[in-house]
Amino acid sequence: AQKVTQAQTEISVVEKEDVTLDCVYETRDTTYYLFWYKQPPSGELVFLIRRNSFDEQNEISGRYSWNFQKSTSSFNFTITASQVVDSAVYFCALSETYTGANSKLTFGKGITLSVRP
Amino acid sequence: DTGVSQDPRHKITKRGQNVTFRCDPISEHNRLYWYRQTLGQGPEFLTYFQNEAQLEKSRLLSDRFSAERPKGSFSTLEIQRTEQGDSAMYLCASSLLGQTTEAFFGQGTRLTVV
Repeated sequence: AQKVTQAQTEISVVEKEDVTLDCVYETRDTTYYLFWYKQPPSGELVFLIRRNSFDEQNEISGRYSWNFQKSTSSFNFTITASQVVDSAVYFCALSETYTGANSKLTFGKGITLSVRP
Repeated sequence: DTGVSQDPRHKITKRGQNVTFRCDPISEHNRLYWYRQTLGQGPEFLTYFQNEAQLEKSRLLSDRFSAERPKGSFSTLEIQRTEQGDSAMYLCASSLLGQTTEAFFGQGTRLTVV
């Protein structure tokens, strides 16, 4: 069975601090996709990134960066120079790929990030 | 295209009543998913459709729950004889089979059973 663990439940930082959100996953599949979604107070899940299990290259997008390490089954997310608008709940998720990248997602419990001015 | 749309956004109902939610996916998206999210938890998969066919149902989907997607476009999720434990956010998502694209989520329907 697939499982996603986000051990951190709440993180509070002061604006401009860097923050890393941890994600550890379990799967018996050899191919899979990992995702990060952001859920602001409005409730809608906003897609941030998708990573294929064969691609361990780290990715940077503006202030966001992701570190995928297959050896430790981790897919961590770092926000550099955090801003108040980054305050939200962040979910890590895992999908099967036997039917492609669009399969059902298994989510972690989420991390509530609060960025104080 | 305005994205995935869900209606209503909020629903308060008395225990024992039936409720129905609607989801309009992004047009041309052939896959549609329903998830349930309770307070402090991540979304949990309920069921999904490929076109009008319901291909998988979670064990979370008791016999009081039924979902349909009659013409392969919008979908409805009905809960019969609601219980307080059904109080949650019900999220709908859609995607396009065969493309390496993510699932797009709606804003959800928040159900409160009193």
